[in-house]
Amino acid sequence: AQSVTQPDIHITVSEGASLELRCNYSYGATPYLFWYVQSPGQGLQLLLKYFSGDTLVQGIKGFEAEFKRSQSSFNLRKPSVHWSDAAEYFCAVGSVQGAQKLVFGQGTRLTINP
Amino acid sequence: NAGVTQTPKFQVLKTGQSMTLQCAQDMNHNSMYWYRQDPGMGLRLIYYSASEGTTDKGEVPNGYNVSRLNKREFSLRLESAAPSQTSVYFCAGGSSSTDTQYFGPGTRLTVL
Repeated sequence: AQSVTQPDIHITVSEGASLELRCNYSYGATPYLFWYVQSPGQGLQLLLKYFSGDTLVQGIKGFEAEFKRSQSSFNLRKPSVHWSDAAEYFCAVGSVQGAQKLVFGQGTRLTINP
Repeated sequence: NAGVTQTPKFQVLKTGQSMTLQCAQDMNHNSMYWYRQDPGMGLRLIYYSASEGTTDKGEVPNGYNVSRLNKREFSLRLESAAPSQTSVYFCAGGSSSTDTQYFGPGTRLTVL
């Protein structure tokens, strides 16, 4: 069965600093990988996704993620965070095309210091 | 184009009461999903519908039922609410062309 681990429950960074959020997955085949962001009291918004091809994917809001098969990782990065990036971030893995049954990680809460 | 909408936004129930959470999408998605979100556990899939007329269990289906009323609507029913069902419930629509799920704003349910 597939699973996703986000090792960091809470991360605090200063505004303007770089960010890396970790995600490790367990899945037998080539996974479909996603990063979603959830602002307080809101639903989830897709940041980026990886299905195949170039292992470095670009998303919205200046985020990028790199798929590393050898490490079973899909870490999310941003060169310089803004106060508006404070939110909870979820990594997810999907199984099949079409009706995706997503499995989510526990989430990482990001706090930005001014 | 409202995307995925959910009603109600908030609900408080007493143990044993029943209720239906409503979800509708105007994005012409074939698949729809119900998740629950609990602190420290991410989102867990309750039920999903791969297409109109079909439904399947997810990871945590016990205590819930669903109905795919038509292509647009997918409802979640709690027949006899329990405190363990206190959670935030999210509905999502899935695009088969982009293999991506789009989420509604959520329903915060408290069972006393």
